[in-house]
Amino acid sequence: SQQGEEDPQALSIQEGENATMNCSYKTSINNLQWYRQNSGRGLVHLILIRSNEREKHSGRLRVTLDTSKKSSSLLITASRAADTASYFCATDGRTYKYIFGTGTRLKVLA
Amino acid sequence: GAGVSQSPSNKVTEKGKDVELRCDPISGHTALYWYRQRLGQGLEFLIYFQGNSAPDKSGLPSDRFSAERTGESVSTLTIQRTQQEDSAVYLCASSSSRLDTQYFGPGTRLTVL
Repeated sequence: SQQGEEDPQALSIQEGENATMNCSYKTSINNLQWYRQNSGRGLVHLILIRSNEREKHSGRLRVTLDTSKKSSSLLITASRAADTASYFCATDGRTYKYIFGTGTRLKVLA
Repeated sequence: GAGVSQSPSNKVTEKGKDVELRCDPISGHTALYWYRQRLGQGLEFLIYFQGNSAPDKSGLPSDRFSAERTGESVSTLTIQRTQQEDSAVYLCASSSSRLDTQYFGPGTRLTVL
């Protein structure tokens, strides 16, 4: 089964609102990564958070990691239409084999 | 230099034909991954190369799929006797080590008629 599962599957918000996506996983990890995918093509790396970190920021992005609950969240603040994309989390399960979830499809309405 | 590149960007083939997909990783990246993504789905791990070590082929769905990589350079993914269920986007990624960020290519969209 998938190592990472994103929630919700789809999210629709107004421009300027915040968007929160969650990721749950099943086994211990070294790190967790969040990616964005536009139009079903290549993935763009957003943030990598290591298992000994609890929170990281990058611009309008904030990622949290709770290893006791085996979950992570991605918050996009002040969303823009250009943030419309699918967002995936990927976990390494303490191996080199990253497992990706099925993604959250975010739609930001102008 | 530039990021990960893949070719072709699109490939349409007939059922039963063989196809070869190419990935050029970022120079110096020792790790290379192939994934398959069906429409509306997440990424399925196919194969992992790390330097000159034996590749992890555990994700290949059948013996019709094979991949090669020479050293730390180009990789090719070959699908023999293609089937309609092979239709998907095939993504390649490279990283400087297994614990670091994976950089993805734009993918090859394969359509088997």
